[in-house]
Amino acid sequence: DGGITQSPKYLFRKEGQNVTLSCEQNLNHDAMYWYRQDPGQGLRLIYYSQIVNDFQKGDIAEGYSVSREKKESFPLTVTSAQKNPTAFYLCASAKGPDTQYFGPGTRLTVL
Amino acid sequence: GENVEQHPSTLSVQEGDSAVIKCTYSDSASNYFPWYKQELGKGPQLIIDIRSNVGEKKDQRIAVTLNKTAKHFSLHITETQPEDSAVYFCAATLGPPDGGYQKVTFGTGTKLQVIP
Repeated sequence: DGGITQSPKYLFRKEGQNVTLSCEQNLNHDAMYWYRQDPGQGLRLIYYSQIVNDFQKGDIAEGYSVSREKKESFPLTVTSAQKNPTAFYLCASAKGPDTQYFGPGTRLTVL
Repeated sequence: GENVEQHPSTLSVQEGDSAVIKCTYSDSASNYFPWYKQELGKGPQLIIDIRSNVGEKKDQRIAVTLNKTAKHFSLHITETQPEDSAVYFCAATLGPPDGGYQKVTFGTGTKLQVIP
């Protein structure tokens, strides 16, 4: 069954902690993306990667980091430098230009 | 950069009626316009898309129209059903012709409620 998976579904973070969100795809897509979604707002781009071992900052990269060591995987780390991390995080992938396909999301809450 | 405005933010319709959601974009170079449906607690799912060389596209009860001159595009859902209730996002995509990174700008979403 092909698709994009994200884990965990729910994640709780204490102040000062770093947490890592997982994103895996078996669609053989080259490009992968991380978005943040807040209530009443559109999706905002955090980081994207067009190819293995390469990634670029999006519009709101501060306080986040990523890696792209494998084509299938694009984990996102929310660092303690991100002061307001509570949000719904969405990972997406695309074969090339145009359509992005989204995973089910991870809801991160700061305790 | 690109700016996408989406209206209305909420929309309630009776089951069986039509629903229309409108988006405008600012960059005339945008060339691809997908629409996504997001159910509560889930990721957005692509429902229909349109390219800049096409004026209208239809898929069963869903249609999208694009007016490049006015820089707006709309989603039309006919014969609405309760399972159509969700948040709908429009997006405008801007990218180089060589297929490099495609910058996608999303609208702020429309919460559609279909009343049985």
